[in-house]
Formats: sequence, structure tokens, C-alpha cells
Amino acid sequence: DSGVTQTPKHLITATGQRVTLRCSPRSGDLSVYWYQQSLDQGLQFLIQYYNGEERAKGNILERFSAQQFPDLHSELNLSSLELGDSALYFCASSEGTGSYEKLFFGSGTQLSVL
Amino acid sequence: AQTVTQSQPEMSVQEAETVTLSCTYDTSENNYYLFWYKQPPSRQMILVIRQEAYKQQNATENRFSVNFQKAAKSFSLKISDSQLGDTAMYFCAFMKHAGGGADGLTFGKGTHLIIQP
Repeated sequence: DSGVTQTPKHLITATGQRVTLRCSPRSGDLSVYWYQQSLDQGLQFLIQYYNGEERAKGNILERFSAQQFPDLHSELNLSSLELGDSALYFCASSEGTGSYEKLFFGSGTQLSVL
Repeated sequence: AQTVTQSQPEMSVQEAETVTLSCTYDTSENNYYLFWYKQPPSRQMILVIRQEAYKQQNATENRFSVNFQKAAKSFSLKISDSQLGDTAMYFCAFMKHAGGGADGLTFGKGTHLIIQP
């Protein structure tokens, strides 16, 4: 168990809908990262937050947004969903923001857009 | 932008054998970090080993070691005395050196390693 909690584990929704994925980092970790894993694109970095502030942005679509709350949990919001958004969404956390940080990954949220 | 290439989509070896997974990368950065992550059927990503590019000494973690060739931009993973529990997808990943951890990890497509009893 990595200590990173993601909910829900599975999510099935329809095109055009909006969903929210939740992540609770390990106790003491200030950084939260979101990654998307799909068959087409592989594993892609979406966005990073550190202590409530956005720190780095990767291949995140404009239809997607995220935030980190004062209690350090994070939410990834996906809107106007398309079939191609079906993927496994990972959250990871680390203590700081350094490039050599060990990331602890959650078990992911499997999103299916029908 | 960086790219990471894993040329072996799938490998299969017998238990107790040694296996090497290959990874090459392309970058114009001089300071960076390299990682191997394991994704077993449970789907959870687990860090196996990491290497700082400025260190010439190859990293080792128990049965796992790397062969880091900076000039060749090669970062292979060797698993000794392979065990059934090593069956998983293995991802090579790159992160450039940045104080803010910018850009996140760039992953390869992965190698599916199967350990046969």
C-alpha cells in the first residue's frame, strides 16, 4: 500500500458528461501529480501541485482542470468527456518538488466513457 | 522535449534467470534523472530504481541494477535471480533536472516481462 488513496476506483459515464476524480496524498507529502495512462498515448504527465499551488503542467487538455485543497487532497475535473478520454488516471504524491523525488502512486481511477 | 524508447514490447524468461530490459532516451538536457517503474497486475506503479545522470556509478537495489551509458543515452535494467513476482509491465522514465520538478516524468511505452515457473 503506497499510502495514496484514489476514489473512485472505477467510473463509467457518457460522452459530454463531467466527472471529478479525487486523490488523498500520503501523510506529509505536499506534492500531488496527475498522470493519464491510455492504450494510445501511454503514460502522460498532466499536472503537478505543491502545497496548493500549481507547479508544472504537462499534456493536460483545456477541458481538464485540477486543484489542491488546504488539506492537500487534490481533485481532477474532466468535462465534456469524449470517448478518447477513457483511461486509467493516476495520482502520485511526493514530499517535495525536486526532480529526484520518489513518487508514490495510487491504484488509479479507471474511467470509461461510453 | 524528451523521448523515451523501450524497444522490447514483451519478454519472457524462466524463474531464476537474469533478464535485461533496454531503454534509450533522447534529450538535450545535461542534468536529469532516470527511473524504472514496475506496474504489476494490480496496476499500481512502483519505483524500482533511479539514477542521477551526473553519477557515473550504476545504481543497484538488491536484485535490480542498471547499466547507465550517458553518451549512448542508454539506461537498461537488469533483474537477477528473477522471481514470479517480478512479472509486470516495466516502464523506463525520464525527468529533467528542475528545482520545481517541472514537466513531470516522461515514460516509455513499457516492456511486459513474464517470469515463467
